[in-house]
Formats: sequence, structure tokens, C-alpha cells
Amino acid sequence: DTEVTQTPKHLVMGMTNKKSLKCEQHMGHRAMYWYKQKAKKPPELMFVYSYEKLSINESVPSRFSPECPNSSLLNLHLHALQPEDSALYLCASSQESDTQYFGPGTRLTVL
Amino acid sequence: GQNIDQPTEMTATEGAIVQINCTYQTSGFNGLFWYQQHAGEAPTFLSYNVLDGLEEKGRFSSFLSRSKGYSYLLLKELQMKDSASYLCAVRYNFNKFYFGSGTKLNVKP
Repeated sequence: DTEVTQTPKHLVMGMTNKKSLKCEQHMGHRAMYWYKQKAKKPPELMFVYSYEKLSINESVPSRFSPECPNSSLLNLHLHALQPEDSALYLCASSQESDTQYFGPGTRLTVL
Repeated sequence: GQNIDQPTEMTATEGAIVQINCTYQTSGFNGLFWYQQHAGEAPTFLSYNVLDGLEEKGRFSSFLSRSKGYSYLLLKELQMKDSASYLCAVRYNFNKFYFGSGTKLNVKP
């Protein structure tokens, strides 16, 4: 099983809303990642969790707040987003530094 | 990031062979991955190289030269469903993954 699941599939939110994106994997992977992908651009790394600890934050604005409640779950809490934050948000997981497997993504629209 | 360069777009004919090149900055290199991405979908893993040479997987092969900072993805017996973007991703310092801008492949009948 190489499945990473993400919910919701689509999300529309206002600039004053608070919402969360969720990601789950049951492959026993110990590294989990959040990426942001704008149309016709490659995925951009946002955060890396390794063994449930934040190991990389690629200078992401504080309106994005990641959380790793356990080894299978990864959340991305959103607050006071801007319209330019509209994008596809991808979660991935990997075993140590091995191949990353991506979830289907959450398409976020900020109005 | 990390100067990962790929051609923007390529066109090939069904049944043909196409080679998509990728060059990257070598400092801190730990591995190179190729992904396929259809529009609006997540990237799917195709191949992985960490040592020099050719890795073959069915119709897809990937080559790596670490000293030259160069890789290519070879697609044989092209099918219409191979029309997609192909992303070269490089792992640096064991934990950081950077993607090239992707190569949009158009397969024509």
C-alpha cells in the first residue's frame, strides 16, 4: 500500500477564516512533507517532519502552521490567508530519505 | 531551487522514444527522482537514481551522472497517455527535495 490520503479535496475560504488540511499515511513512513504547487509550476517544499518533529521550515509565513499529532498524521492549519495563497497543497511521505509518495492534494481557493 | 533545469516542453510521436534531460547543482546531492504529473493531479513516482548509470523499469529508464550533475528520463514506445509533465526532483542533504520546473510532454498520434 503506497497510499497517502488528504482531506478535503477542495477548500474555499475567506481571508478571515481558520481551516485545516489533513494528511494521513499508513505505510510506516517517518518523514512527512507539505508542498505548495501553483498552476504550471513545480511543487515547492514548505515543511518537513522527521520522526514527528519539524526539521525543515522553508521560511513559510506564520499564517501556515503545521502539526504532526502522530507518525501517521500531518495537519496544516491555515489562518488569515491571502488570495495569492490559492494553490494545490500536496502532502508526501517517505521512509527516511527514500522515495516520496504524494497524496492527491487539496485545491485551496482563498477569496 | 538548486538550479534544476529541464526543457519546458517537448513533442513526440506515439510509438517513438523521447529523452528528457535534467541538470542540477551537485553540491549536497543525495539522489534524483523522476515523477510524472497529469494536470490537476499529484505527482506519481517513476524512478530513482543515486548511483551513476542506468535504471530500467519497463518502458521508462533513467540515467545519472553525478560528476556532471546530469540525468535523463527515457520513455520508449510512447503512448498517448504518456502526455503529462515530467518532474526531475533532487534530494539534497538527505532531507530537502527540490523540483525542476517540469517538462510538458505532448504525444501526438
